[in-house]
Amino acid sequence: GQNIDQPTEMTATEGAIVQINCTYQTSGFNGLFWYQQHAGEAPTFLSYNVLDGLEEKGRFSSFLSRSKGYSYLLLKELQMKDSASYLCAVRGFTGGGNKLTFGTGTQLKVEL
Amino acid sequence: DTAVSQTPKYLVTQMGNDKSIKCEQNLGHDTMYWYKQDSKKFLKIMFSYNNKELIINETVPNRFSPKSPDKAHLNLHINSLELGDSAVYFCASSPSAGGPYTQYFGPGTRLTVL
Repeated sequence: GQNIDQPTEMTATEGAIVQINCTYQTSGFNGLFWYQQHAGEAPTFLSYNVLDGLEEKGRFSSFLSRSKGYSYLLLKELQMKDSASYLCAVRGFTGGGNKLTFGTGTQLKVEL
Repeated sequence: DTAVSQTPKYLVTQMGNDKSIKCEQNLGHDTMYWYKQDSKKFLKIMFSYNNKELIINETVPNRFSPKSPDKAHLNLHINSLELGDSAVYFCASSPSAGGPYTQYFGPGTRLTVL
């Protein structure tokens, strides 16, 4: 099975940098995803890591260490619109397909 | 154009009723999914279909029956609705069941069982 842990809530200031951590235990690993979900909306894809290291995409970066079962999402130059839930999801094989197991999400609140 | 669409967006019904939710994707993807997001915002996979074939079937009550008439459509029928079925149901799709592909989510269907 898979177990994914991330903080429930975080608060940060507009313009600052915030790091959202995710730790996982999995019986089969085939990549880690970060999704953003605004209240009442669908999750939208932010980043994907399958190899160790940092992936950068504009203001968002995601890091993976497979040996430590650890990832983080780094958000720079925070904006009010970044207030949302950030979901860490691990992909593993099951039967004939990929299965995403989601963490419970980290609710980020960006304040002035 | 909406990539993954679901109908209805809101569904309010009485316990014991039977209801269906429909999903369509126009991305040309082979694989589609149903997820349930409960009141604590925990998103959990229920089913996955690849080219109309069921490939993932999590521990879901058999009151839930998915159907995929073609690879662009995945519907979810729920019999004998219970209070605990109240949640947001998301449909998603990906290019294939394997490979480094992300999943694209529909807008969700908020089901409320009274």
